[in-house]
Amino acid sequence: SAVISQKPSRDICQRGTSLTIQCQVDSQVTMMFWYRQQPGQSLTLIATANQGSEATYESGFVIDKFPISRPNLTFSTLTVSNMSPEDSSIYLCSVEDPRQGYEQYFGPGTRLTVT
Amino acid sequence: AQKVTQAQTEISVVEKEDVTLDCVYETRDTTYYLFWYKQPPSGELVFLIRRNSFDEQNEISGRYSWNFQKSTSSFNFTITASQVVDSAVYFCALSEDLPSTGTASKLTFGTGTRLQVTL
Repeated sequence: SAVISQKPSRDICQRGTSLTIQCQVDSQVTMMFWYRQQPGQSLTLIATANQGSEATYESGFVIDKFPISRPNLTFSTLTVSNMSPEDSSIYLCSVEDPRQGYEQYFGPGTRLTVT
Repeated sequence: AQKVTQAQTEISVVEKEDVTLDCVYETRDTTYYLFWYKQPPSGELVFLIRRNSFDEQNEISGRYSWNFQKSTSSFNFTITASQVVDSAVYFCALSEDLPSTGTASKLTFGTGTRLQVTL
């Protein structure tokens, strides 16, 4: 299966600042996805990132708050802007692996705490 | 709209017991995919299975088995002879879109079932 890494693995940030999370995959993939998991909750899709085009955001998520870059087929970044304590969550990227019948795999996640 | 319901919030069993995790889904699409993921305390999401809507055959993988029944819109997961290492949160998820056909395979997750296996 695809090997996915994320940086940082965790961070504690001050209110009002921004954090950029990186997601790296060991193979070329078309679609990359960003999910949020708030404490004790399920996962919610933030946006889908396709290489060479603007990310597609889900209802309730906007580009100004969660800008996403997808410069190539193995890398993406998610920025959490102007953070508030409500942004404290685990942020996970995922990919479909064409080598595995397009099964969807997740990175290890970034644990973000906003104080 | 699609929806996934995992009515069991938390289950506790003693090691070696069998346990079944329930998953009920709602979708208006005729083509869809169902998934199970395991999230151990470390937080990483581990892929367990993907099943498409045209394949109702039950699947067994070691101590894990899955029962897909379209008639009841359920995709239940059974762990046989549970072990302490099975302790985790298990998520069921649904995708209405075909993978990589140009549309995003967005996953809708259930709320998860926390499984605690004790000695």
